[in-house]
Amino acid sequence: DAGVIQSPRHEVTEMGQEVTLRCKPISGHDYLFWYRQTMMRGLELLIYFNNNVPIDDSGMPEDRFSAKMPNASFSTLKIQPSEPRDSAVYFCASSYGTGGAPGELFFGEGSRLTVL
Amino acid sequence: SQKIEQNSEALNIQEGKTATLTCNYTNYSPAYLQWYRQDPGRGPVFLLLIRENEKEKRKERLKVTFDTTLKQSLFHITASQPADSATYLCALDPNSSASKIIFGSGTRLSIRP
Repeated sequence: DAGVIQSPRHEVTEMGQEVTLRCKPISGHDYLFWYRQTMMRGLELLIYFNNNVPIDDSGMPEDRFSAKMPNASFSTLKIQPSEPRDSAVYFCASSYGTGGAPGELFFGEGSRLTVL
Repeated sequence: SQKIEQNSEALNIQEGKTATLTCNYTNYSPAYLQWYRQDPGRGPVFLLLIRENEKEKRKERLKVTFDTTLKQSLFHITASQPADSATYLCALDPNSSASKIIFGSGTRLSIRP
């Protein structure tokens, strides 16, 4: 298996532009997580899905952020409009749940976003 | 407030010694706790999971303990090697009835030859 695949790996954009980050989870995994990592705040959970359904989006910073999972093999995280404070590394992770818990997370390599 | 705290300072250890990293949490009742390793520019990689009814778990040179009374987990690397240098993150489910996983801020470990 190729693992969790994220794109783009690097994105540089200007303030106000729309940014879309993409994630392909590992086939057969039923949980998908989006995290954001910065030096100041560490790894923050933004939102997670179970069987393509958003379960908890309480970590999404504000209405400028949205996430979708139209099917089991694809998810997007969108920021519109982007701001410099959104600059961070965004990670997608997937896992196979057992007993209702997600267990071990498999992370992608991350998308490094820079908003100028 | 609810939080997960790890060694705030970087840890520098002589090769061959045992490295011990700490993860403390407050106001959570996790059903399990996990440890991950993260190298610069890479995503975290899972190492170990320990459940609330387990006191200790081992995997090769790694050992994890979980004390639900102290609300603390210790992560040990025995016979440490320079290749063990990385940032180590602990993670838990903040509510054992939920399925979200949140992370501590991590501890940067450096093993000097």
